[in-house]
Amino acid sequence: RKEVEQDPGPFNVPEGATVAFNCTYSNSASQSFFWYRQDCRKEPKLLMSVYSSGNEDGRFTAQLNRASQYISLLIRDSKLSDSATYLCVVNRVLTGGSYIPTFGRGTSLIVHP
Amino acid sequence: EPEVTQTPSHQVTQMGQEVILRCVPISNHLYFYWYRQILGQKVEFLVSFYNNEISEKSEIFDDQFSVERPDGSNFTLKIRSTKLEDSAMYFCASSGQTGFYGYTFGSGTRLTVV
Repeated sequence: RKEVEQDPGPFNVPEGATVAFNCTYSNSASQSFFWYRQDCRKEPKLLMSVYSSGNEDGRFTAQLNRASQYISLLIRDSKLSDSATYLCVVNRVLTGGSYIPTFGRGTSLIVHP
Repeated sequence: EPEVTQTPSHQVTQMGQEVILRCVPISNHLYFYWYRQILGQKVEFLVSFYNNEISEKSEIFDDQFSVERPDGSNFTLKIRSTKLEDSAMYFCASSGQTGFYGYTFGSGTRLTVV
């Protein structure tokens, strides 16, 4: 099983649609989780951290299910500007207490008019 | 907003040549990373650096790679003898608080080996 697994898509949706992305991870000791957004040939940018209780930031909602080792991202009312690749990132803890992020391959979203 | 700065943005080099990629992390961050992304593929971890030493490295980070923090602000990645397959985007990242709360990436250096 891959460390961090995502459906590559692409997800092709009309403006205003709601779209959900899923991510699974293999290391049960992982301790922090993120969704990053990456535009074509640009750097990953932090979209949001993911907490066990679930968290929301405007049109974006992230959920974490530790028992199933599953993370989700929901985007409501999609905008054209949401078109990008969404990267699931899982922090693996090292012996000394620092973390190393492991990236999924990313899910591509295309929002069309 | 503080940012991680990388130079150059694009580097073309001949196979077998040495290249040095430069990064200036966010000034109060203590943890530094190099990642690479081959075109169309996922972001891959290369190395992490803390307290002036490597804390972890991947199997990609072999003897041809080295990192250095020469002057307290710059963080460099050196590739000693470049191969065609080293062509990729190289991202530097930094974090405070061990990385638990996330990482800030630089805009990357696109390395093309010809």
